[in-house]
Amino acid sequence: QSALTQPASVSGSPGQSIIISCTGTASDVGSYNLVSWYQQHPGKAPKLMIFEVSDRPSGVSHRFSGSKSGNTASLTITGLQAEDEAEYYCCSYVTGSAWVFGGGTKLTVL
Amino acid sequence: QLQLQESGPGLVKPSETLSLTCTVSGGSIGSTTYYWGWIRQPPGKGLEWIGSMYYSGSAYHNPSLKSRVSTSVDTSKNQFSLKLSSVTAADTAIYYCARHGDSGYSYWGQGILVTVSS
Repeated sequence: QSALTQPASVSGSPGQSIIISCTGTASDVGSYNLVSWYQQHPGKAPKLMIFEVSDRPSGVSHRFSGSKSGNTASLTITGLQAEDEAEYYCCSYVTGSAWVFGGGTKLTVL
Repeated sequence: QLQLQESGPGLVKPSETLSLTCTVSGGSIGSTTYYWGWIRQPPGKGLEWIGSMYYSGSAYHNPSLKSRVSTSVDTSKNQFSLKLSSVTAADTAIYYCARHGDSGYSYWGQGILVTVSS
């Protein structure tokens, strides 16, 4: 299985919105609503931000939202804040009882 | 509050077997709702799913590692384990254990750096 495709980096100014894409195939993103997103700050473990495409765990800011169209899932962050600067990873269930992560996207808040 | 903690050697010699254990506290590994997984992250690189297991012992692994990976669960100790055989420098990574279900990987350990070197 190949890693899901994410842009290597995105950036935005405080208050702006950004979108991170995550492209898979019909065997993963395209077939299941089991896409999740993780935020990882340097030296820390990843933190679940979105699950099942668009649901937020308790405690995660409403500024984070997720969606999916075809084989591509997206994470949107509105009202960018300095604390949002981190690496973001998508993850999807794969046919055959497996999981695959994206390559990661570094978000820089300018 | 559920907590997971990885333990094991931080240094493994090439061709040997990497063995790690994840101890779960604040909850039961015997939950019928969740799976218990291993994920790794080479220094400066992205996350890679290694495998997941259910409390009953059923497990599934990354096809790219399948022949070298074995996993197990010990419900009496509330622990689950990972063994990766015939390691090379490419297996040097931070190894995380985590709890997951359809709703994603919701709880993670802090990670343990394992270096493969002679």
